[in-house]
Amino acid sequence: NAGVTQTPKFRILKIGQSMTLQCTQDMNHNYMYWYRQDPGMGLKLIYYSVGAGITDKGEVPNGYNVSRSTTEDFPLRLELAAPSQTSVYFCASSYNPRTDSPLEKLFFGSGTQLSVL
Amino acid sequence: AQSVTQPDIHITVSEGASLELRCNYSYGATPYLFWYVQSPGQGLQLLLKYFSGDTLVQGIKGFEAEFKRSQSSFNLRKPSVHWSDAAEYFCAVGARNAGNMLTFGGGTRLMVKP
Repeated sequence: NAGVTQTPKFRILKIGQSMTLQCTQDMNHNYMYWYRQDPGMGLKLIYYSVGAGITDKGEVPNGYNVSRSTTEDFPLRLELAAPSQTSVYFCASSYNPRTDSPLEKLFFGSGTQLSVL
Repeated sequence: AQSVTQPDIHITVSEGASLELRCNYSYGATPYLFWYVQSPGQGLQLLLKYFSGDTLVQGIKGFEAEFKRSQSSFNLRKPSVHWSDAAEYFCAVGARNAGNMLTFGGGTRLMVKP
């Protein structure tokens, strides 16, 4: 059971570089999320998607972009990396039969630790 | 917008002792409430959730939580802590709207003394 798979696990970027964090899930979940986790700050939602072709901003979207061309994949793009983007990034997915139903539990990937120097 | 406060950043308890982790939320209606646990280097795992009905909910690993609307709280409890419970615990509130986004608290790191 693969669940939610994130790659890479670790990455060091220089200021101004770009990169894509990959996330894929094999559970046919319609909802997918990107969170960042800073020490002592809990998780902050960056972007989320309720299905293929649909994305929306979360609490902290600035400096990031996402796309959702398939149900399985939800990559997160950093265009011009900044030190403030040093964080641990978690992708998550869940299944919702409809938008007004209770949120089922999130399945999390194991995270990507990103340092921008 | 909803918010979650976990007042205790660190808690240390002795193995076998009881545990209570505090969580207070702010939300305009009845929320969806969750507790997640994160072991080092891992993603988050759901311990339990509250949607409606009985305000005392049971979760995995012997944890329970009680929803108290009057206090806007959803505290997590365990009667007897095991060394393997050492981890970081996150309370989260979900909004009843499109996307059902979760807002997480800052977390409480639990350490267990032998």
